[in-house]
Amino acid sequence: DTAVSQTPKYLVTQMGNDKSIKCEQNLGHDTMYWYKQDSKKFLKIMFSYNNKELIINETVPNRFSPKSPDKAHLNLHINSLELGDSAVYFCASSQDIDREVSDTQYFGPGTRLTVL
Amino acid sequence: ILNVEQSPQSLHVQEGDSTNFTCSFPSSNFYALHWYRWETAKSPEALFVMTLNGDEKKKGRISATLNTKEGYSYLYIKGSQPEDSATYLCAFRDNFNKFYFGSGTKLNVKP
Repeated sequence: DTAVSQTPKYLVTQMGNDKSIKCEQNLGHDTMYWYKQDSKKFLKIMFSYNNKELIINETVPNRFSPKSPDKAHLNLHINSLELGDSAVYFCASSQDIDREVSDTQYFGPGTRLTVL
Repeated sequence: ILNVEQSPQSLHVQEGDSTNFTCSFPSSNFYALHWYRWETAKSPEALFVMTLNGDEKKKGRISATLNTKEGYSYLYIKGSQPEDSATYLCAFRDNFNKFYFGSGTKLNVKP
């Protein structure tokens, strides 16, 4: 069973459209994240959710919004897509971001978004 | 914006060679240092989480050390194998629960 899964794997869409990327984890983790891999291959955190609360919100455009229907899911909604949104988006999860002991993030396979 | 730097950017070694690379990070507000292995067309896979100055971790032929006072971590691979070929990423986690990733060291091990 895949621990962290994302759908779709590839997404090609027109500028101006609204799209969503889904993420699910079956690890029972408390915290989920969205990352964007930029053109220089850097991973940059976009959001993280702990127990359905947004606890880190990096300076991403408000066209991007995370939605967490339950602890196992953190979906990424993107409105009015722009050319610069083309990237690979990774979802990840970890046990509990507030624990004393540092934890490890488990990554999904990534979603390659192409905006035409 | 914090700087997490990894060097070298890429490395080509022969099978059997031992190798090491560096991750440099800020020495203030340190919480943890993560190492990941990232194969092409796959997602990052966790190797180590290091929290204490002087920490040493080992997993098979791969080991890592941590110096939080001077802000660096080394990753060592002993007797490199072709299957070790991947990008090795480090990530600095600060006291505010933010993660900053380096750009990675791309290792290519030739048979």
